[in-house]
Amino acid sequence: GAVVSQHPSWVICKSGTSVKIECRSLDFQATTMFWYRQFPKQSLMLMATSNEGSKATYEQGVEKDKFLINHASLTLSTLTVTSAHPEDSSFYICSAQRLAQETQYFGPGTRLLVL
Amino acid sequence: GEDVEQSLFLSVREGDSSVINCTYTDSSSTYLYWYKQEPGAGLQLLTYIFSNMDMKQDQRLTVLLNKKDKHLSLRIADTQTGDSAIYFCAEHTGTASKLTFGTGTRLQVTL
Repeated sequence: GAVVSQHPSWVICKSGTSVKIECRSLDFQATTMFWYRQFPKQSLMLMATSNEGSKATYEQGVEKDKFLINHASLTLSTLTVTSAHPEDSSFYICSAQRLAQETQYFGPGTRLLVL
Repeated sequence: GEDVEQSLFLSVREGDSSVINCTYTDSSSTYLYWYKQEPGAGLQLLTYIFSNMDMKQDQRLTVLLNKKDKHLSLRIADTQTGDSAIYFCAEHTGTASKLTFGTGTRLQVTL
C-alpha cells in the first residue's frame, strides 16, 4: 500500500496563533512531499514542494514565512501556519511521492478554522 | 498554459455508465491521473494512464486518452451510489514533479 496520514484532521484556533500540521507516509519512504490548499468547492492549489533534507520550493504567491515547511525525515513533513488569520481557514492536503516514482499519494486532509 | 478543465456536474442513475471528461493543455504531460474526493476527505487515486497509451481498463473504470485533442475521459461502468463524489483529473509533466489539477466534476448518482 501507500498510506499517507495527516494530523490533526481538524483544528480550530484563535487569530494570531500558529498551527502545525503533520504529514506522514506510513508504509513507504517519501523523498518528496507536497502541500496543497483547497477552498470550498474548488480544486487543489499547490502551495509548496518539500524534499527531504532541503528547503521547500514555494509556488508563486505563497508566503514562505507564513507557511513554514519542514521535511526532516523520509516519512514526515510538517506545515506550520504562523500567526494564523481567518483568511488562512481552509482545507490543507499533503501528498507523498516515492523515490523515482511519479504517483502522488494523498493524505486525508486537515481542516483549519481560524476564529 | 496549464489549465485543466472539467465540466462541473454530472448526474446519472444507478446502474448506468458515467463518463467524466477532462481537457488539458500541456502536450508534454507524461502521466494523467484520476482522483476521487469524497466530502471532507483527501484524494483517492483511482487510476492513471501513461501518455503513450490510448486506453486503460481497470475493473469498472476505463480511461481513454486522445493526445491529439488533449482529451482525457473516465468511464465508470455500472455506477453505484458509493461513486458519488468529486472527480479530479490531473496532469503530470516531465519537467517537474508537480501535478496540475482539473476543476473537478461532481458526480451525483440517483436511484
